[in-house]
Parts: sequence; structure tokens; C-alpha cells
Amino acid sequence: QKEVEQDPGPLSVPEGAIVSLNCTYSNSAFQYFMWYRQYSRKGPELLMYTYSSGNKEDGRFTAQVDKSSKYISLFIRDSQPSDSATYLCAGEGRGGGNKLTFGTGTQLKVEL
Amino acid sequence: GAVVSQHPSWVICKSGTSVKIECRSLDFQATTMFWYRQFPKQSLMLMATSNEGSKATYEQGVEKDKFLINHASLTLSTLTVTSAHPEDSSFYICSAPLSLADYNEQFFGPGTRLTVL
Repeated sequence: QKEVEQDPGPLSVPEGAIVSLNCTYSNSAFQYFMWYRQYSRKGPELLMYTYSSGNKEDGRFTAQVDKSSKYISLFIRDSQPSDSATYLCAGEGRGGGNKLTFGTGTQLKVEL
Repeated sequence: GAVVSQHPSWVICKSGTSVKIECRSLDFQATTMFWYRQFPKQSLMLMATSNEGSKATYEQGVEKDKFLINHASLTLSTLTVTSAHPEDSSFYICSAPLSLADYNEQFFGPGTRLTVL
């Protein structure tokens, strides 16, 4: 079993839709949970991070972590074509700056 | 945000040759850098942790004699793929952490695409 599981997609939605991306993890030591966005042939860029369980909102993006069920979610409101990318979730055991365990990434396409 | 660069951005080499990839933190110092490998439609897999002034720490299953890592300074780490073979063809990405207010964010380089013929 992989430490972080993520549906690879692809996921195609119309512009303006609410997108829900999800991951599950098995490592109970994870304390920080991240969502990265990766465009084709580029390095990942951090979208949001969350410490332990809870919600975090940043503009059109909301990250949720439920440690009891080991479930991580990212919601994108009013999705735009520019949101088309691969979204990777990741877990980390300590306070940042340490090795990350990534999911496989979900490929998202937002269509006009 | 902080910037991490990689060079080259892509390289094609013949089987059996060695290839060096550089990772630089342009506007901050990094005592630790991380090297990942990403195959098409797969996740980033951590290969090794590069430590300035000491030996790199390799993940299980990664051959340290094949993937040589040197952290020569606080802004430069290099990954050398020795005696490359076609199965080494992949996207290699480095990252470096930077301490922010309440979190050490990792900044990723743009990646290096290696094709071994």
C-alpha cells in the first residue's frame, strides 16, 4: 500500500465548476499536509499547507484534513482554464523542510 | 518566493555515459536539498537528501554509486547519473527548504528531463 493514495484522473470540468480533489494516506506520523500544483514539464509549486486536522482557505482554494479518517481534500471554486494542471497532495512528518511523500497527482482540465 | 534553478533543463545522452545535473538556490542558502525522480504520470519519488558538508542520505532502493550527489556549497547540489541506461530516463527535480514564518516551505526547481538513448 502506498503511503499516499490519489486518483490520477484525468478529471475534466467546465469553467466555473467546483472541483474536489482527494487523497488518503496511511502514515499516522504525518502532521503537515500540502497541495502542490504542477504544470506540464515544470516543478511543483506549493498551493497550500495545513497542519493537523482542519480547514484552510486561500482565495478560491480550500484545503481540508481529517486525520481521524486520514483523508485530505482540496476544493477549487469558480474553476478557471488556468487551473488546468496536475495537483499533488503530500504529507510530511515534521515541521517543514523535510522529505515529502507525494500522491501520484490528479490531472485536472478545466474546459471553456 | 524563493527561486531554485536547475541546469540543464533537458539532456539527451548515450547509454553508458554520465550526466551531471545542477540544482541551485538563487536567493537563499540551503544546507539540505532533496532530489526527486518523476516518471510519466507518476508521483515524485524521493531519491536522496543532499547535505552540505556531509554525505547524502539515500532512500531505500536507490543506488548511491549510480546516483552521485555532491552538496558543494550552501547554494549548490549536483546529481550525477553514472553509466546511464535507458531506464534512467526520467524527470529529475530538486527542492530546497526555506524557513518562513511558521513553516519550512520547500521550493522546487523546474526539473531536468533526461533521455538516455
